[in-house]
Amino acid sequence: DTGVSQNPRHKITKRGQNVTFRCDPISEHNRLYWYRQTLGQGPEFLTYFQNEAQLEKSRLLSDRFSAERPKGSFSTLEIQRTEQGDSAMYLCASSLLQSSGNTIYFGEGSWLTVV
Amino acid sequence: DAKTTQPNSMESNEEEPVHLPCNHSTISGTDYIHWYRQLPSQGPEYVIHGLTSNVNNRMASLAIAEDRKSSTLILHRATLRDAAVYYCILRGYSGGGADGLTFGKGTHLIIQP
Repeated sequence: DTGVSQNPRHKITKRGQNVTFRCDPISEHNRLYWYRQTLGQGPEFLTYFQNEAQLEKSRLLSDRFSAERPKGSFSTLEIQRTEQGDSAMYLCASSLLQSSGNTIYFGEGSWLTVV
Repeated sequence: DAKTTQPNSMESNEEEPVHLPCNHSTISGTDYIHWYRQLPSQGPEYVIHGLTSNVNNRMASLAIAEDRKSSTLILHRATLRDAAVYYCILRGYSGGGADGLTFGKGTHLIIQP
């Protein structure tokens, strides 16, 4: 499978615990994006990387959220001190920056339930 | 990002063509029109994109109005597996700045057998 891979697919955690999601983008894609989606809503942009540099962070990304892409390949999204409002699907996507409107490819998402 | 307007939901019959409209009256000259769809419990899936001319691929066709203020995604022969939320998104290519997708609520397409 050469698509965007996300792990774990499902995570149930108690309020206050930390969780980490991993994303493996499509090989050689230099841009990597994180989105969050709650029920009935479209995905909301959180942050994106070009290679290892984090170029933009949404206001939705509170101080409890941190994303890294240390070697410009895979990325992690950590949520510290989880709250019930963090329950959502976290989507990772990747693209190859080029001149003709680079297509963004999404993973299957990681579902987080905070109880 | 410029805003798009789509109907909340549409219904069609299996094996019939489906035309999904999108209005984007504030589109700028460098905005590409992208369509994604999201099947239940899955991540969004790229469908098609275009700038000015109509586009065809194996999944769908994209018809773009001459003034680019509206577009229509055409599924030529809908199947039950096409039931999904369809998002019409404008995406400017800046080359260096943020170019993530801004999703609205999309159109929930229901296919009747």
